[in-house]
Amino acid sequence: GAVVSQHPSWVICKSGTSVKIECRSLDFQATTMFWYRQFPKQSLMLMATSNEGSKATYEQGVEKDKFLINHASLTLSTLTVTSAHPEDSSFYICSARDQDRGRTEAFFGQGTRLTVV
Amino acid sequence: LAKTTQPISMDSYEGQEVNITCSHNNIATNDYITWYQQFPSQGPRFIIQGYKTKVTNEVASLFIPADRKSSTLSLPRVSLSDTAVYYCLVGPSGGSYIPTFGRGTSLIVHP
Repeated sequence: GAVVSQHPSWVICKSGTSVKIECRSLDFQATTMFWYRQFPKQSLMLMATSNEGSKATYEQGVEKDKFLINHASLTLSTLTVTSAHPEDSSFYICSARDQDRGRTEAFFGQGTRLTVV
Repeated sequence: LAKTTQPISMDSYEGQEVNITCSHNNIATNDYITWYQQFPSQGPRFIIQGYKTKVTNEVASLFIPADRKSSTLSLPRVSLSDTAVYYCLVGPSGGSYIPTFGRGTSLIVHP
């Protein structure tokens, strides 16, 4: 199947700093990528839809100025958590669909564990 | 989007067959049914997808009745490594589809 790679797998940062998470589609082009957040024992919650070459679409309640999304190429989307606070500690997951080949299923990155201290 | 309902948890033993059913009463004509598996601290992994009747791959089988209002993921002869959360998603094949997750089913396989 198609491969989506996320980096880093885990990161620890100090409160008030910013952290960037990268999501790459390795063997296909993705005009759209999705960013999720997952808290312990909970399901994945969609944060935003990342669109190549245009602004991301954020879900209700997600602060667009805090979670900056950039989708500058067909294989890379980045999520920057700005001025991170301990409550932003979570598991962040990206996803993409290989729409060019008519694939209907989504492929997910391995996730990024963010811990803000 | 069609809402899905799954059991919150299931228990099984090694070597048994496990069947997880998902209800999706308002599934649309162009919706597919997709199942994912997620281990702790990992992203979901695609297991199987189907539209109607039965689909089988090297990992699982997916049974979909004629009315498509439910589906059953069947895992043959589970092992301890099948302990995970299983999610059922329903959505169209079109480009605008956004994968949206329900609560999933936490499967625990006992020795």
